[in-house]
Amino acid sequence: DVKVTQSSRYLVKRTGEKVFLECVQDMDHENMFWYRQDPGLGLRLIYFSYDVKMKEKGDIPEGYSVSREKKERFSLILESASTNQTSMYLCASSRITVVEVNSPLHFGNGTRLTVT
Amino acid sequence: AQRVTQPEKLLSVFKGAPVELKCNYSYSGSPELFWYVQYSRQRLQLLLRHISRESIKGFTADLNKGETSFHLKKPFAQEEDSAMYYCALCYSSASKIIFGSGTRLSIRP
Repeated sequence: DVKVTQSSRYLVKRTGEKVFLECVQDMDHENMFWYRQDPGLGLRLIYFSYDVKMKEKGDIPEGYSVSREKKERFSLILESASTNQTSMYLCASSRITVVEVNSPLHFGNGTRLTVT
Repeated sequence: AQRVTQPEKLLSVFKGAPVELKCNYSYSGSPELFWYVQYSRQRLQLLLRHISRESIKGFTADLNKGETSFHLKKPFAQEEDSAMYYCALCYSSASKIIFGSGTRLSIRP
């Protein structure tokens, strides 16, 4: 069974702090994603990565950056946290196969970030 | 631009009643659509995908390209179906997936 692990379940940070959210998957998936989940807005894609050191912006990349130095790890960085970045952050991974170009996402448990 | 719309924030039905959760999408190419579900205190997980054409936990969803819809249906709701449901669209070869705003399904006993 695929396991996607997010390092923190709850995180409280102050405005202006640099914040790192870590995500590790153990199934050798090529694709990794970061979403934020907000009531009434659903899941919004922040960034995704389809290979090591490769990344693409999602729909709301402003204020965020990402790092993928190893295939199993995808980090989300808030360079200077702001209160409007208070949210639930979800990491996900998926694989690419010959048969299934777009395989389903496997999600982590999420990190609830509060910025005060 | 690509978009997924779930018009209902909350849907409340009685146990045993039919359920339909609506999903509409906008995408000019050939879409790949999914339904994901999040039960209380659990992680988000795949429920079903249109290319599989399967029934999972009694739920089915048919892709209607003419109406650009992918509604989720179940003929007889059960209490354990209470959850948050998200419709999702995959639209690039790099597996970029976007989600709707979600519908909370509440099944009344």
